[in-house]
Amino acid sequence: EVQLVESGGGLVKPGGSLRLSCAASGFTFTNAWMSWVRQAPGKGLEWIGRILRKTDGETTNYAAPVKGRFTISRDDSENTLYLQMNSLQTEDTAVYYCATDGQLAFDSWGQGILVTVSS
Amino acid sequence: DIQMTQSPSTLSASVGDRVTITCRASQSIPRWFAWYQQKPGKAPKLLIYQVSTLESGVPSRFSGSGSGTEFTLTISSLQPDDFATYYCQQYNSYPLTFGGGTKVEIK
Repeated sequence: EVQLVESGGGLVKPGGSLRLSCAASGFTFTNAWMSWVRQAPGKGLEWIGRILRKTDGETTNYAAPVKGRFTISRDDSENTLYLQMNSLQTEDTAVYYCATDGQLAFDSWGQGILVTVSS
Repeated sequence: DIQMTQSPSTLSASVGDRVTITCRASQSIPRWFAWYQQKPGKAPKLLIYQVSTLESGVPSRFSGSGSGTEFTLTISSLQPDDFATYYCQQYNSYPLTFGGGTKVEIK
């Protein structure tokens, strides 16, 4: 069974940094493309970015609102996906989900982790 | 960027009703299109990918259709478990984008 468990969320001040982790199990993480998606309170889903597998160059792509501030990385030896978030703004407040990016759709999702940016 | 516009934003229906949700893309998407269901406080769940392929385990009352810029999610007979918010998504080009969501409420 695919399991994705996010951690590392919490309260951070504007301008601060936070790193989210997504621990993966139940599938071959090395072969997987992965994405991060967020959802602001009461709002819809917003794709943040994607990282391809190592054999595809571990290429990353980001949405415009986070490009240059957020970095997606992965540690295949630990089956873990990361989201480094810098220069956080109040509008980054959201539940953050990691998802397996099956190239056809986002087929499995974590339970989500809340990030609150507030002074 | 490809904008995804869902309609309606809210839909009131009764158990047993046939329900249709529409998603329009601002430009043509070959077949890289999916539907998700989300219940309050839960992660989204994949229902349909490549326009019309049902994800494993999803009831057959759900179906997807469409092409080009207009796509449809149909629930043939609404069940109590189906009251939720539904999102469309294109994964044809970056940035990957979602529709604004359609909340299906109990009438």
